[in-house]
Amino acid sequence: KQEVTQIPAALSVPEGENLVLNCSFTDSAIYNLQWFRQDPGKGLTSLLLIQSSQREQTSGRLNASLDKSSGRSTLYIAASQPGDSATYLCAVGETSGSRLTFGEGTQLTVNP
Amino acid sequence: DAGITQSPRYKITETGRQVTLMCHQTWSHSYMFWYRQDLGHGLRLIYYSAAADITDKGEVPDGYVVSRSKTENFPLTLESATRSQTSVYFCASSESRGIVGGNQPQHFGDGTRLSIL
Repeated sequence: KQEVTQIPAALSVPEGENLVLNCSFTDSAIYNLQWFRQDPGKGLTSLLLIQSSQREQTSGRLNASLDKSSGRSTLYIAASQPGDSATYLCAVGETSGSRLTFGEGTQLTVNP
Repeated sequence: DAGITQSPRYKITETGRQVTLMCHQTWSHSYMFWYRQDLGHGLRLIYYSAAADITDKGEVPDGYVVSRSKTENFPLTLESATRSQTSVYFCASSESRGIVGGNQPQHFGDGTRLSIL
């Protein structure tokens, strides 16, 4: 059974800092990996999706990497802003269908 | 651009009652999903559907029933609600472009907060 772990569970940084969120998974036979953002009381917003054949994806100040062999992904956020404060979730897609297994998330607070 | 909508947003009911959570998407996505989100467990898949009239169990299907008679709708029914089903429920959808195209991102609704007394 796939297990997804995110470390740290919570992170507080000053505005402007570059930061890295970590995600690890136990079964390297994945189809894709997706990073989401969740604001309080809201649903999830997809940030980046990396197919299993890819090593990284970039969107604006966000960069996600994938190392299947080691079972790891990182989400890099450059020049953090208070508006980046949210919970960030990592989810791994199975080899069949589109099922996702989620980590419990990292709660990020960016202080002005 | 309605996207994916869930109703109701909030619901309070009593144990033993039947309750149905609605999910509607306007993109004609093939895949639809139901998750529950609980502290200490994260998001867990309840049921999913690859197309109309095709559904399959996820990680925690017991006590839930789904149907998908139309591509755009994917209701979730709790046949006899229990307190352990108090949770936030999220519906999601995605398109799949096959092995070559790969899976596309899942898009989520805003959730239904369900309390069972």
